[in-house]
Amino acid sequence: AQKVTQAQTEISVVEKEDVTLDCVYETRDTTYYLFWYKQPPSGELVFLIRRNSFDEQNEISGRYSWNFQKSTSSFNFTITASQVVDSAVYFCALSDSGAGSYQLTFGKGTKLSVIP
Amino acid sequence: DTGVSQDPRHKITKRGQNVTFRCDPISEHNRLYWYRQTLGQGPEFLTYFQNEAQLEKSRLLSDRFSAERPKGSFSTLEIQRTEQGDSAMYLCASSLVAGGYGYTFGSGTRLTVV
Repeated sequence: AQKVTQAQTEISVVEKEDVTLDCVYETRDTTYYLFWYKQPPSGELVFLIRRNSFDEQNEISGRYSWNFQKSTSSFNFTITASQVVDSAVYFCALSDSGAGSYQLTFGKGTKLSVIP
Repeated sequence: DTGVSQDPRHKITKRGQNVTFRCDPISEHNRLYWYRQTLGQGPEFLTYFQNEAQLEKSRLLSDRFSAERPKGSFSTLEIQRTEQGDSAMYLCASSLVAGGYGYTFGSGTRLTVV
């Protein structure tokens, strides 16, 4: 069965600090996809990134970067020079073939508060 | 507008009443998913459709819940005889193909059962 663990429930940082959100996943599939979503107070889920299990290259997009390590089943997300607008709940999610649905299994989320 | 639309955004209902939510996916997407998110939790899978066929239901989807996707277009999620435990955000997502090729979520319907 799939499982995603986000051990950090809440994190507070001062603006301009770097922050890393941790994500550990479990799956028996060899082909799977990992995602990060942002959920601001308005409630919609905003897609940030998707990685497939065969691509372990780290990725950087502006102030955001992701570190995917299959050896430790982790897919961590770093925000560099955090801003107040980064305050939100961040979800890590896993999708695998399972019964064919490719449904997303989400972690419980990490609430990030960036203090000005 | 090419996003996923959900209606209504908010619904307050009395316990025991029936409610129905609607989701309009991105038009070319053939997969449609329903998720439920309770306070402080991540979204949990309820069911999904490929075109008009409902292919999987989670154990969370009790017999009071029913979902349809007539003609493979919009979808409805109905909850009969609502209970306070049904209070949650109901999220709809659509995708073009199976796998990791991007899921677009709607803004959700927040249900409050009083």
